[in-house]
Amino acid sequence: NAGVTQTPKFRVLKTGQSMTLLCAQDMNHEYMYWYRQDPGMGLRLIHYSVGEGTTAKGEVPDGYNVSRLKKQNFLLGLESAAPSQTSVYFCASRDPNTGELFFGEGSRLTVL
Amino acid sequence: KQEVTQIPAALSVPEGENLVLNCSFTDSAIYNLQWFRQDPGKGLTSLLLIQSSQREQTSGRLNASLDKSSGRSTLYIAASQPGDSATYLCAVMTGANNLFFGTGTRLTVIP
Repeated sequence: NAGVTQTPKFRVLKTGQSMTLLCAQDMNHEYMYWYRQDPGMGLRLIHYSVGEGTTAKGEVPDGYNVSRLKKQNFLLGLESAAPSQTSVYFCASRDPNTGELFFGEGSRLTVL
Repeated sequence: KQEVTQIPAALSVPEGENLVLNCSFTDSAIYNLQWFRQDPGKGLTSLLLIQSSQREQTSGRLNASLDKSSGRSTLYIAASQPGDSATYLCAVMTGANNLFFGTGTRLTVIP
């Protein structure tokens, strides 16, 4: 049982480049989330999805786009990366019965 | 906006000691509260989840309590071990999609 899987785990970009982070979950959860974690600031919600084909903005959505074409996948895109987007990105899915969150292992992004 | 605070930011204890980690939140209208463990360079692992109607949850050497009226939760770890060294985060859910995290307490258990 893989749970929540994120790819890639590490990536270095130059300012202005684009990239996509992939999150896949095998628990058939409807709710999925993208967070960023920065030192001293805790985890902050970027975007979330309540089901296939739906997405919504979180606390810090600027500079990011998301898509949920399939229930098991939630993609986070950066169209024009900026140094301020250097961070560790976490994907999570939520058990609808208990509310428990399950996290991936994170994707560490550095923008030069 | 809900604010979640965890004090202290770091804690060192000798092996075998019982310890308490604290989490406070400003808005008592919560859906649930969850404690996580995060090891360096890793994701978050769920430890305990307390629904708003519950007062505590237990799993092995861990016990989490919730006092909504005072906006507090504690995570009690009994007989600490070096393997318990990690950062512990609490998070409160105030709606279907509003989950607010504290910045964590970094625990070091000294052998």
